[in-house]
Amino acid sequence: SAVISQKPSRDICQRGTSLTIQCQVDSQVTMMFWYRQQPGQSLTLIATANQGSEATYESGFVIDKFPISRPNLTFSTLTVSNMSPEDSSIYLCSADRNTGELFFGEGSRLTVL
Amino acid sequence: AQSVTQLGSHVSVSEGALVLLRCNYSSSVPPYLFWYVQYPNQGLQLLLKYTSAATLVKGINGFEAEFKKSETSFHLTKPSAHMSDAAEYFCAVSTGGGADGLTFGKGTHLIIQP
Repeated sequence: SAVISQKPSRDICQRGTSLTIQCQVDSQVTMMFWYRQQPGQSLTLIATANQGSEATYESGFVIDKFPISRPNLTFSTLTVSNMSPEDSSIYLCSADRNTGELFFGEGSRLTVL
Repeated sequence: AQSVTQLGSHVSVSEGALVLLRCNYSSSVPPYLFWYVQYPNQGLQLLLKYTSAATLVKGINGFEAEFKKSETSFHLTKPSAHMSDAAEYFCAVSTGGGADGLTFGKGTHLIIQP
């Protein structure tokens, strides 16, 4: 299975600031995905990140709020911009290695005060 | 569009008893179905997946699930619960085998009573 590392694992942020989450995969992958898991909730897909093209955002998520980069086949970043307490969530990176399943990182737990 | 319904946000069983976690799906095309487990403060780990091969799928940690097209179900079972099975379980569906992302159910919190 693929190993996916996320940084930071957790952070406490002030309202109005932005935070960038990094996701590193131990092998080249075609598709990478970013999910949000709000407290006590299920996972919601934010966007799909493909190398060499703009990320594709799901309904309810916009690039200005969640800019994503995908500079190569093993790395992606998600920025949570102008944060508010409602952005307090776990953000998970995942990757599809063309095996028909998604592998997940351990998540980045953000608390916005 | 696709969706997943997990019946029961919390399921409690005694150690050694049968575990049954229910999942029903809706998909306009033949689905790929997954069960993931999330232990406290950890990411998601794949338990098993259905990708149109055998309808009875065996996964890790003694779990298995059966795909029933007529019932649009993919229930997760384990014959004998262990204390270490206590976790959050998510059923998920995809139409592209993961390539289009997954749609997750709301999750079922499994409680194991001694």
